[in-house]
Amino acid sequence: DVKVTQSSRYLVKRTGEKVFLECVQDMDHENMFWYRQDPGLGLRLIYFSYDVKMKEKGDIPEGYSVSREKKERFSLILESASTNQTSMYLCASSSHPGQGNQPQHFGDGTRLSIL
Amino acid sequence: AQKVTQAQTEISVVEKEDVTLDCVYETRDTTYYLFWYKQPPSGELVFLIRRNSFDEQNEISGRYSWNFQKSTSSFNFTITASQVVDSAVYFCALGGSGNQFYFGTGTSLTVIP
Repeated sequence: DVKVTQSSRYLVKRTGEKVFLECVQDMDHENMFWYRQDPGLGLRLIYFSYDVKMKEKGDIPEGYSVSREKKERFSLILESASTNQTSMYLCASSSHPGQGNQPQHFGDGTRLSIL
Repeated sequence: AQKVTQAQTEISVVEKEDVTLDCVYETRDTTYYLFWYKQPPSGELVFLIRRNSFDEQNEISGRYSWNFQKSTSSFNFTITASQVVDSAVYFCALGGSGNQFYFGTGTSLTVIP
């Protein structure tokens, strides 16, 4: 089975802090994704990566950056956390870059609160 | 535009009732893929099914069935004889020529014992 592991289930940080959310997958997938999930808005794509050191902006990249130094690991960075970034963050991975035909496999999510 | 609409925000049914979750999509791609995911209270999205645009056969898996109709751009999901364990948020998603998925806003299903 595909396993996508997010480093924290719950995280509380303060406004202005730099926050790192980590995600690791064990299936050698090329694609990795970061979403945020808010009530009534569904899943919104922040960034995705289709290869090591490659990244593409999603629909809501402002205030975020990402890092993919190794194939299995994709990090989401909040450069200076703000209260409007309080949300559930979901990481996903899939195979076959350039094709939307493969299911994405998700981690358990990180519920991030910015105080 | 690539878009998925799940018009039903919340649904409540009594256990053993049948329930249908609606999904309508828009796409410019001639080849595309449709997915359903389940998100239980624990939070992880669980992949349920994938359908490609060339295969309009309906699919049945136990109590779950899916009805894909290109003529109405719909990919609806029916749960027969619902159970409390079916309580979750269900997402429909669209994949096309790129890496990106387009998710609907989800339907929250509550099954009352």
